[in-house]
Amino acid sequence: QMQLEQSGAEVKKTGSSVKVSCKASGDTFTYRYVHWVRQAPGRPLEWMGWITPFNGDTNYAQKFRDRVTITRDMSRVMAYMEVTSLRSEDTAMYYCASGSEVWGHFDSWGQGTLVTVSS
Amino acid sequence: QSALTQPASVSGSPGQSITISCIGTTSDVGRYDFVSWYQQHPGKAPKVMIYDVSSRPSGVSNRFSGSKSGNTASLTISGLQAEDEADYYCTSYTSINTQVFGGGTKVTVL
Repeated sequence: QMQLEQSGAEVKKTGSSVKVSCKASGDTFTYRYVHWVRQAPGRPLEWMGWITPFNGDTNYAQKFRDRVTITRDMSRVMAYMEVTSLRSEDTAMYYCASGSEVWGHFDSWGQGTLVTVSS
Repeated sequence: QSALTQPASVSGSPGQSITISCIGTTSDVGRYDFVSWYQQHPGKAPKVMIYDVSSRPSGVSNRFSGSKSGNTASLTISGLQAEDEADYYCTSYTSINTQVFGGGTKVTVL
């Protein structure tokens, strides 16, 4: 199983961008899948996308395809999730989560990163 | 990809059994046996309780069980306990190589 440590809370202005990091340890980062999930205040979990560190392949939920980019840095054992053109509706807790198969469950979760967007 | 459909809330008394449904389509729940269930307590990260429809991770109580019929998956909690009070979410793998969550169900122990 993998342990995931996320970067700290962010406060951003409307229209700016935010990049959240997720550092992996304890298991083979290369051959697992890292997913990003967000949860707006009082709202349900929302799946955003995944990356496989092995070759950097990604896939996104249609809703996030235009403004979200997921990347990885193998040397740092890190995954990143960037949201551009931030809106107030992007205020949420963002989680990274990991699974061993793209279709599989998320057996490890980061602690979450709160992103607050205001004008 | 639309969210899977879950009841907003389910309640039960200690010791009772409750079942939460998760309705999808032939492109997700009905097509794959890759349905998972997560428990989330307030202010905490989710925790997997059931995966691959009915498998239970090590350390999860056998009071939790999962099943699927057609486009509907279900999570049953038997012998309901106060600590089971939380939000529960289903997820499914989809035909476009994504995952999709349900809208969540708040479980209240009366």
